[in-house]
Amino acid sequence: GAGVSQTPSNKVTEKGKYVELRCDPISGHTALYWYRQSLGQGPEFLIYFQGTGAADDSGLPNDRFFAVRPEGSVSTLKIQRTERGDSAVYLCASSLSRDSPYGYTFGSGTRLTVV
Amino acid sequence: AQTVTQSQPEMSVQEAETVTLSCTYDTSESDYYLFWYKQPPSRQMILVIRQEAYKQQNATENRFSVNFQKAAKSFSLKISDSQLGDAAMYFCAYRRDTGNQFYFGTGTSLTVIP
Repeated sequence: GAGVSQTPSNKVTEKGKYVELRCDPISGHTALYWYRQSLGQGPEFLIYFQGTGAADDSGLPNDRFFAVRPEGSVSTLKIQRTERGDSAVYLCASSLSRDSPYGYTFGSGTRLTVV
Repeated sequence: AQTVTQSQPEMSVQEAETVTLSCTYDTSESDYYLFWYKQPPSRQMILVIRQEAYKQQNATENRFSVNFQKAAKSFSLKISDSQLGDAAMYFCAYRRDTGNQFYFGTGTSLTVIP
């Protein structure tokens, strides 16, 4: 596609439920990133994929968070047993490579609200 | 650890005037990249300008320019001839040369007054 697509745009879920957030990167972009942006803060790194593999998952806050990218394109961020503190905008970005001089292209994010 | 500080939570500028947004960062690295991103209400982060630390020349992109002071670890963004469409949150970001992640500041909300 022309840009990074994230679905759903908004998601409301009950505490304790499981959610999946989807990211469809720009075609041909091998690098894919997930960030979390809490209210009034800048985005914080969660995980980086190079191709199908998670090259750096040091930002995942705990084992309730997991992400996959099985075919090297679409990625899914999965959150188990959601907590109210997980409420945030989850941003996905992709780039041709980690060192692309053109930077990353971000999607418009998924706003997750846990009630 | 790398930290990025934006000390101006909010700024305003008259249309057609010039405004400067401040950013400082902390790092022990010598090679790194600095960025300014714009985030309008649509939530999408849009790259405004990028600076490589090894380049002494300040980056410019049309009405946007930076003042990069490596020794002072300062990276300010100047917006000239401000337009209504420039109104947004602006985030300063740092990335190590060999790093995988951006470190973002807390942002500056820019209002453009007609």
